[in-house]
Formats: sequence, structure tokens, C-alpha cells
Amino acid sequence: SQQGEEDPQALSIQEGENATMNCSYKTSINNLQWYRQNSGRGLVHLILIRSNEREKHSGRLRVTLDTSKKSSSLLITASRAADTASYFCATDAYSGGYQKVTFGIGTKLQVIP
Amino acid sequence: NAGVTQTPKFQVLKTGQSMTLQCAQDMNHEYMSWYRQDPGMGLRLIHYSVGAGITDQGEVPNGYNVSRSTTEDFPLRLLSAAPSQTSVYFCASSLVGVGSPLHFGNGTRLTVT
Repeated sequence: SQQGEEDPQALSIQEGENATMNCSYKTSINNLQWYRQNSGRGLVHLILIRSNEREKHSGRLRVTLDTSKKSSSLLITASRAADTASYFCATDAYSGGYQKVTFGIGTKLQVIP
Repeated sequence: NAGVTQTPKFQVLKTGQSMTLQCAQDMNHEYMSWYRQDPGMGLRLIHYSVGAGITDQGEVPNGYNVSRSTTEDFPLRLLSAAPSQTSVYFCASSLVGVGSPLHFGNGTRLTVT
């Protein structure tokens, strides 16, 4: 079963608006990562937040992590048409001696120019 | 600056045929993995490797085989293709260690008829 579940599964906004995507997970984690996938391409790493961090920023991205609620959010501010993509959260933890990275099903973001 | 290279980009197989999906990386990453991506199911880990000569199973290994003879290459073999293996396959690599971001190839779209 999937460790992470994104919400909403699809989101459509106007250019310039902010986009917020949420991720919930089930078990304890070491880190939580967010990835972007443009149509027909592989995933690209955006940002990582460690389990002992609560908030992290990178450019127009803001990620929060609440380990007590087992949830994270990704905020994209001042969205652009080029932000149109699917966004995935991924949790990683050691499992059986190796780094196990588990992905959610993703949020499909459409930014309308 | 190739990163992770996957070949072929597209493949059509008949049920029962076998084939090998190629994956090569030039970043000297010890960790390599294969995922399959299906609509509504996110990415699921098939097999992974933490170095040459070391491989292990992920969540959905049945019907797939891997080997890792060099650091650079991590081929995925379909032994006897089935329609249920119709999917998009992604290879990813990273440094070994929790929290290392994954670098993805652009995927192989496989259709089994």
C-alpha cells in the first residue's frame, strides 16, 4: 500500500495564485521529499524536509511537516504556467537495512495562464 | 551531463515475450532502483541495488529480474511479459543514505498485448 497520499488529487488555479498540496503518511519517517513530474518525463527532486524540521523554504516553495499528524504540505507561491505538473510526496526510512523511498499517488496541478 | 539514461523510450511486446529495459547512470551513484508507474497508484518499487553485485526486491518484484554487474548499469528483465506489466517504468539512482534525493530517467513506456 502507498505510504503517502496526496490531497487533492487534482488542482486547477489561475496564474499568480498560490497552490497548496497536502500529503499524509502512515509510519514513522526519516525524511519527506517532494518531487515534480512534467508530462512524459521522469520525476525531479524539489525539496527535502527532515523529520526534526517543521518548515523549509526553497525559492517559491514552502514545505511544512507535522510528524504528530503524519502530514506535510507543499505551497507554491505566485504560480506560473510552467508549474503545471504532477507533484509527489515521498517518504524515506530505513527498512530491512536499506533506504526505502515510498511515493504517494500525486497531485496533478494545472496553472491556467 | 547525461544523468540517468533509460532505453528504449517505448516498447510493445506480445504476451510471453521477454525483454530487457536498460538503465545507465554516470553520477557514480551506488543506489539504483526500478519503479513502475500506473494511473492512480503512484510509483511502486520493483527492485533496487545498493552496489555492484547487490540487489534486493521491492514491493512488486514478481515477473522481473535484475542484476548489477557494474556501478553504472542496472538492467531490468521481463521474463515472460504479461498484460499486467503494461506500465511506465522509471529507473532512479542516488547516493546511498537516507535522505539522498533520487535522480530519475525519463521512463520506458511498455505495452504488452
